[in-house]
Amino acid sequence: DARVTQTPRDKVTEMGQEVTMRCQPILGHNTVFWYRQTMMQGLELLAYFRNRAPLDDSGMPKDRFSAEMPDATLATLKIQPSEPRDSAVYFCASGWDFLDTQYFGPGTRLTVL
Amino acid sequence: GENVEQHPSTLSVQEGDSAVIKCTYSDSASNYFPWYKQELGKGPQLIIDIRSNVGEKKDQRIAVTLNKTAKHFSLHITETQPEDSAVYFCAASIKGGGADGLTFGKGTHLIIQP
Repeated sequence: DARVTQTPRDKVTEMGQEVTMRCQPILGHNTVFWYRQTMMQGLELLAYFRNRAPLDDSGMPKDRFSAEMPDATLATLKIQPSEPRDSAVYFCASGWDFLDTQYFGPGTRLTVL
Repeated sequence: GENVEQHPSTLSVQEGDSAVIKCTYSDSASNYFPWYKQELGKGPQLIIDIRSNVGEKKDQRIAVTLNKTAKHFSLHITETQPEDSAVYFCAASIKGGGADGLTFGKGTHLIIQP
């Protein structure tokens, strides 16, 4: 049963620290998405990649967030420096660009103190 | 950009009754409309979707209807069961779910009363 995996599942850190979240998309998928979920804003698209190239990162705060795909099996989302307002659940999703379904991972719950 | 509004935010129904959740979207270029179910502590899971060239789609107890002229779409769940209790999200995209990002509604917390 192919699944999107995310690590860590939970992360508690202090303001100012660097945070790295990792995602392993479903093998063979060529599109990877990062979303953020908060009570106030709901689910928001941060960025997405196709064939490892960034297509859209307009939803991401540029000064502190960065997203990369070092290879086809790993996507990373970094926050440096982290702030309390970054506290949220971060989801990774993957899919094929010629099919409609996006498959979501279990999320990383980030708490910035 | 696209804006998706979802109502109601909370819906409580008796087990066995039907539930309807409604969404409206703003961008007439949107062509793909999925519905996701999210259980506590888990990621959203696709339950049904529809493209703009189709008016209605059914999958067992779940159906989605789309009115492209009015820019609204709805999720219908019949014969509700306790396991239907969850948060449901509607979404929209222009190219399709695998090709570009989704714009989500704020979610509906569906509660099935025994």
